[in-house]
Amino acid sequence: KAGVTQTPRYLIKTRGQQVTLSCSPISGHRSVSWYQQTPGQGLQFLFEYFSETQRNKGNFPGRFSGRQFSNSRSEMNVSTLELGDSALYLCASSRLAGDGELFFGEGSRLTVL
Amino acid sequence: GEDVEQSLFLSVREGDSSVINCTYTDSSSTYLYWYKQEPGAGLQLLTYIFSNMDMKQDQRLTVLLNKKDKHLSLRIADTQTGDSAIYFCAEAPGGYNKLIFGAGTRLAVHP
Repeated sequence: KAGVTQTPRYLIKTRGQQVTLSCSPISGHRSVSWYQQTPGQGLQFLFEYFSETQRNKGNFPGRFSGRQFSNSRSEMNVSTLELGDSALYLCASSRLAGDGELFFGEGSRLTVL
Repeated sequence: GEDVEQSLFLSVREGDSSVINCTYTDSSSTYLYWYKQEPGAGLQLLTYIFSNMDMKQDQRLTVLLNKKDKHLSLRIADTQTGDSAIYFCAEAPGGYNKLIFGAGTRLAVHP
């Protein structure tokens, strides 16, 4: 079956703009979580959604937000982009939360100029 | 606090075994994970181990868990050039999907 799909794969924005990233989980998966990967900070948890509710949130400013739809697809939004937001944003899905089988997509690589 | 530590680099000869080590801090972690990342790609789930297990084997991969020392290791038997990648260890405190990752171990396989 299809894996976790993230769109777009690559995008370039300028400071001050906003961006929306999309994630389609594996069919039947209801938990979607987001991570940011940078060379300096490594992999950091952003937030997790389950059945359209945010269940966990990482230590990121309010410019980072997300949501989950009834079909389990998720979007994350970053407003007022800063240079430091340049990163690989990874989405992961699992059937339930904490069931061990957490699969990641290929990521969306954001460059902020 | 929450912290996962891994050595940053490992070099092995093709055909040898590789052992990547990791220490974690949160004893409430229900699952512990190993992921592989190749250049320009996302994270590939290699294997995971439930916290009440000591060992898990999956083909060429063997995971050992020492809960007392909060130490996790991944052994790759008969390492191949295709195994060259960055390997991440992660814990899941509280049993949720809020994973805490190590910095990753870069495995280089040479002939």
